[in-house]
Parts: sequence; structure tokens; C-alpha cells
Amino acid sequence: GAVVSQHPSRVICKSGTSVKIECRSLDFQATTMFWYRQFPKQSLMLMATSNEGSKATYEQGVEKDKFLINHASLTLSTLTVTSAHPEDSSFYICSARDRRGEYNSPLHFGNGTRLTVT
Amino acid sequence: GIQVEQSPPDLILQEGANSTLRCNFSDSVNNLQWFHQNPWGQLINLFYIPSGTKQNGRLSATTVATERYSLLYISSSQTTDSGVYFCAVPDGGGFKTIFGAGTRLFVKA
Repeated sequence: GAVVSQHPSRVICKSGTSVKIECRSLDFQATTMFWYRQFPKQSLMLMATSNEGSKATYEQGVEKDKFLINHASLTLSTLTVTSAHPEDSSFYICSARDRRGEYNSPLHFGNGTRLTVT
Repeated sequence: GIQVEQSPPDLILQEGANSTLRCNFSDSVNNLQWFHQNPWGQLINLFYIPSGTKQNGRLSATTVATERYSLLYISSSQTTDSGVYFCAVPDGGGFKTIFGAGTRLFVKA
């Protein structure tokens, strides 16, 4: 149980275009989902918290107009990288926690999306 | 916010060896997770361990919450254990999860 599906797994796009990444909780509902970014040989850095039915909460230094987050349902959150540039190339990973457990339950992660902007 | 330190940063083992990875954190936590990130980037949930000891095959973990550390034990290491091991703890009042810098493990055949 507790599967998080993330698509696409890999995407290459041209500079200036937008890319949408989907994150779905397959067998549980998640009021909140989290988006992380990971640069090569570094740890995971939290970008934003996606809240179902309301605005996302962004971490300091993350541009909300560049990284658009939509959490339309209890099982789906999307991250859109707008006007992508080569420096946005990174590994993006989403995660979710079963809403029934709230803070005291494990985080479950998708398999990540490797974005390359040329 | 909470600080998370992992040690060692890098570790090379001969297949069959045992190892202990450590995670120190600067504030009280009510949960802690250990993850293994394989070479393809997938994060595998190893343990959810707010306190006490858990075992799963060759892996076990112990968290001593009062002393603000957790240990991950790998016994009889295999090449497939290679990758990065992260511990993660809650921050921001328990809502967000923050990762340590990780321990990069390479197991030689």
C-alpha cells in the first residue's frame, strides 16, 4: 500500500517552454503533498507544500510564479515549471502522507522526474 | 529550523562487512524516517522509527529521541546496498520533513 505515482519519469525540454509534472497518491488520500528538488550529489530540498483546495506554501527562495503548484483533488498534485531554463534542470520528487495519519505517519515518495532543459 | 547531521558523509565497504550510519538532530522530534536512494534516484522507505529499535532483514535502526540521534545498521552488506542513505525529520511544527545531507555508501564486490 501507500503508493505515490509520479509522471513523467524523465523529460527534456527546450529553454522557454513549460513542463508539467504529476504526482498521484494511488491508494490513499493526501490533504497535503510535498515537492522536493535534488541537484546532483546533494540532498533533497523542500520547495513547496501543496495543499488540497488552497494555495501552495513555498519555501524561502523558491519562486512561486516559476513553479506553479495545483492540488485539485485529494489524490493529485501538479508542479509546472514555467519558462524553464537550463538552471532548472534537476531531479524533482513529490511525496505525500496519508491524511488519516497526519503528522505521525510516514512520508511516501514518487520515483521522481529528471528534468533536462536544453 | 531543525538541523540534521549525518555521518559519515561517504563510506566504502567490502561486500559482507557491517556498518553503522548516524543521524543527529538538533531538536525534539516525534518521528524519523530512514531512506535509501538507489542509483536510479528512487527513494526507498526503510524505517519509520520515532523511537526504539526496528529490524528488517539485514537492516535495523534505533532512535534515541531523548538524546536526539538515530542509527542505521547494515549487516553483511551487499553491492545492492550501494546508494545514498538519508534520515529525515519533521520541522515547521511537525508539518514539513527535512532531510539530512546523506551518507553515500559504495559496497565493493
